[in-house]
Amino acid sequence: QQQVKQSPQSLIVQKGGISIINCAYENTAFDYFPWYQQFPGKGPALLIAIRPDVSEKKEGRFTISFNKSAKQFSLHIMDSQPGDSATYFCAATRGNNAGNMLTFGGGTRLMVKP
Amino acid sequence: DAGVIQSPRHEVTEMGQEVTLRCKPISGHDYLFWYRQTMMRGLELLIYFNNNVPIDDSGMPEDRFSAKMPNASFSTLKIQPSEPRDSAVYFCASSFIGDEQFFGPGTRLTVL
Repeated sequence: QQQVKQSPQSLIVQKGGISIINCAYENTAFDYFPWYQQFPGKGPALLIAIRPDVSEKKEGRFTISFNKSAKQFSLHIMDSQPGDSATYFCAATRGNNAGNMLTFGGGTRLMVKP
Repeated sequence: DAGVIQSPRHEVTEMGQEVTLRCKPISGHDYLFWYRQTMMRGLELLIYFNNNVPIDDSGMPEDRFSAKMPNASFSTLKIQPSEPRDSAVYFCASSFIGDEQFFGPGTRLTVL
């Protein structure tokens, strides 16, 4: 069964701190790993994504670190802000079509305290 | 573009009733996905279409669930008969040539 395991389920971080969310996958055929951000009452929205040909991708305060041998990837939010408080989902899929079937992790509810 | 449009935003119904959820994908997108989100099971893909054709419906939980896409700008997810365990938020998403998926705001379904 294709699974993506995400941890922690919830995370509380002080403003300015670093938020770290981890994911592990089983299917070695996965080759596209997006992170989605979801605010209450809204649908998930793509935040950042990585392919396994690189070990790290950074966009502003958000960085994905990827460890292919360990089949793990993580999201780092630097200088976390109260506006970052949301639920974050990692996901994985395979194939050139990134919009194909996504397997989602269970989600992490992040709260950034002012 | 207005993004993915879903209706209704909230639906409250009684067990045994038929429920129809609607989705209008982003114009020009050729993939459409239906998801269900619950606290217990997270985000689950129910079914997806490519060019209006169902490609994979292995996530549809039971025969009580059905989905159609009669044209490129409209899709429905029907539950008949509905049960309390169907209570969830249902999302529709669309993408273009398998690129980024754009999610709608969701329909919160409550079955009493």
